Amino acid sequence: DAGVTQSPTHLIKTRGQQVTLRCSPKSGHDTVSWYQQALGQGPQFIFQYYEEEERQRGNFPDRFSGHQFPNYSSELNVNALLLGDSALYLCASSLAQLGGTQYFGPGTRLLVL
Amino acid sequence: QQQVKQSPQSLIVQKGGISIINCAYENTAFDYFPWYQQFPGKGPALLIAIRPDVSEKKEGRFTISFNKSAKQFSLHIMDSQPGDSATYFCAASKNTGNQFYFGTGTSLTVIP
Repeated sequence: DAGVTQSPTHLIKTRGQQVTLRCSPKSGHDTVSWYQQALGQGPQFIFQYYEEEERQRGNFPDRFSGHQFPNYSSELNVNALLLGDSALYLCASSLAQLGGTQYFGPGTRLLVL
Repeated sequence: QQQVKQSPQSLIVQKGGISIINCAYENTAFDYFPWYQQFPGKGPALLIAIRPDVSEKKEGRFTISFNKSAKQFSLHIMDSQPGDSATYFCAASKNTGNQFYFGTGTSLTVIP
C-alpha cells in the first residue's frame, strides 16, 4: 500500500518564477492538505482540497493556488516566487469520512534564489 | 498568533530515560491532538493521537497525557532510545479532519 508520494523531491527556482508541486494521496484517501514548513519551524497550513474544491485555506496569499483531480491527486502552484517561499512543502492526505488523521508525504524542498 | 505552544525547543536525554515534551493551546474548539515525529529530510510521521474525552493514551513506549481544564497535553517517551532522536511536533485541529495547527517543534537527542 503506497503512502503519500510527492514530486519532485527538490527544486531550485529564481525569484519571479512559477512552480508546480504534485501529490498523490495514500490509497483510499480523498482529501489532500498542503503545508509549508520553513527551516526549524512547524508546518503551516496552506489549504485543503476535497471533492476537487478548496475546502479550507490558511493565511497564505493568492499567489498560492491548487487543484485536485478526479483521482484525488493534487497540485500546488506558487506564482511570482519570493525568496521567503523557500521551504519544505508537505502534502498530507486523509479520508474525509473518518476525519482527523492526516498522513504526510516526504515533501518537496523548494529553494528560491 | 501561535495557536499551539510547544516546549522545550530542544531536549537531551540519556538512553533509557524518559523524554517529556509539553504543549498548550487556547482554542477550546480543538478536538484532536496528534503528535508527529520527523527525521531530517523526511515528512512528519504520525506517532500517536488523542481526543479530549480521555486523559491518557498509551501506545508502546509513547504516552499522551491530556489535561482539558489546563488546555495542555504532553508526550512521554519511556525508555528513550538513540533511534528516537528526531524532531517532535504536537498539533491540534477542530472538527477533526480540518487544518492542523502545529507547535514549533522539539529537537530530541538521546545519548547512548
